[in-house]
Amino acid sequence: AQKITQTQPGMFVQEKEAVTLDCTYDTSDPSYGLFWYKQPSSGEMIFLIYQGSYDQQNATEGRYSLNFQKARKSANLVISASQLGDSAMYFCAILRTGANSKLTFGKGITLSVRP
Amino acid sequence: NAGVMQNPRHLVRRRGQEARLRCSPMKGHSHVYWYRQLPEEGLKFMVYLQKENIIDESGMPKERFSAEFPKEGPSILRIQQVVRGDSAAYFCASSPGQALGEAFFGQGTRLTVV
Repeated sequence: AQKITQTQPGMFVQEKEAVTLDCTYDTSDPSYGLFWYKQPSSGEMIFLIYQGSYDQQNATEGRYSLNFQKARKSANLVISASQLGDSAMYFCAILRTGANSKLTFGKGITLSVRP
Repeated sequence: NAGVMQNPRHLVRRRGQEARLRCSPMKGHSHVYWYRQLPEEGLKFMVYLQKENIIDESGMPKERFSAEFPKEGPSILRIQQVVRGDSAAYFCASSPGQALGEAFFGQGTRLTVV
């Protein structure tokens, strides 16, 4: 079974500063993928970034980067230069690659960006 | 992603009624996944379908819930005899193949049971 743990309480960050959202995972599969999604108050799930377990480099997508530490089983999301529009819930998820794969989500972290 | 269309966006049902949630996948996508999100929770997997086949329904309650993805038309998640505990947001995701990393989510249907 796969599990995602997101234990941070609501996070606050000043506009234009960087923030790290924590995610740890548990899996026995040798091959897997890690995802971060953003869910604003409007409710949709917006894909942000993906990291494969065999990727040598940390994933980056614009202002988002993933600090992947495989030995520690952590996949923290770093948002640089926070914007007011970054205020949302953020979910970490893990996917076992192969047939019949499905995403397993954490409970999420609320991020509030202060002007 | 706007390409996955779910309707209705909001649905109110009285206890005991039936709820039908629809999901039209992105063009060219033949794999559909349904997830449920309870308040203050992450998304929980319910069912994975391909055209005319249920591949994995391990996350779906055995009673009152059913899902289909016919050869023509949208995928339907049906909840019979709804109860207050069914109130949640239901999300659909679609992908072109088994690699769910390529999947995109719809905007969800918010079901409220009164």
